[in-house]
Amino acid sequence: DGGITQSPKYLFRKEGQNVTLSCEQNLNHDAMYWYRQDPGQGLRLIYYSQIVNDFQKGDIAEGYSVSREKKESFPLTVTSAQKNPTAFYLCASSSQLGRQGATNEQYFGPGTRLTVT
Amino acid sequence: GIQVEQSPPDLILQEGANSTLRCNFSDSVNNLQWFHQNPWGQLINLFYIPSGTKQNGRLSATTVATERYSLLYISSSQTTDSGVYFCAGVNTGTASKLTFGTGTRLQVTL
Repeated sequence: DGGITQSPKYLFRKEGQNVTLSCEQNLNHDAMYWYRQDPGQGLRLIYYSQIVNDFQKGDIAEGYSVSREKKESFPLTVTSAQKNPTAFYLCASSSQLGRQGATNEQYFGPGTRLTVT
Repeated sequence: GIQVEQSPPDLILQEGANSTLRCNFSDSVNNLQWFHQNPWGQLINLFYIPSGTKQNGRLSATTVATERYSLLYISSSQTTDSGVYFCAGVNTGTASKLTFGTGTRLQVTL
């Protein structure tokens, strides 16, 4: 079954703790992305990676960190420096532009709801 | 970065009615997608439509790239169409960064 998996579905943490959200894809996509969604809002880009061992900051990277050691995996760490970490986090992936037949269409995982108290 | 405006912000329809959702971009885009977010938060891909017209069952979409807007048509709406519809685009020259609108919240009633 091809797709993007995120775990866990719900996550609860105390303020001051770092937490890592998992994102795995078996679509053989080169590019992966992390977005944040707040209630009633659209999605905002946190970080993205177009190739293994490389990643770039998105629009709201402060307080977050990522790694891309494997093509299939792009974990996101929400650090204690993130002022308002409670949100819905969505991971996405896409083929790289330039590959034959690639459209750069992004596909999303089911998301992780993080609550920090 | 680009600004993405969606209208209307909220829409209530009776089952069977048709509707048109609109998305305006402040700058040119070379990757435009429409999504439906279901009540569980899952984003479902509806269309990848940088230009032209596509149809998929009761849904169709048209993008006029030169005028920086896209339309999503829903015909014969059903209660299962309820949810939030987002459009998103990649600004030409900014690699893969999708910018989302704030969505249209659709409620279809019996």
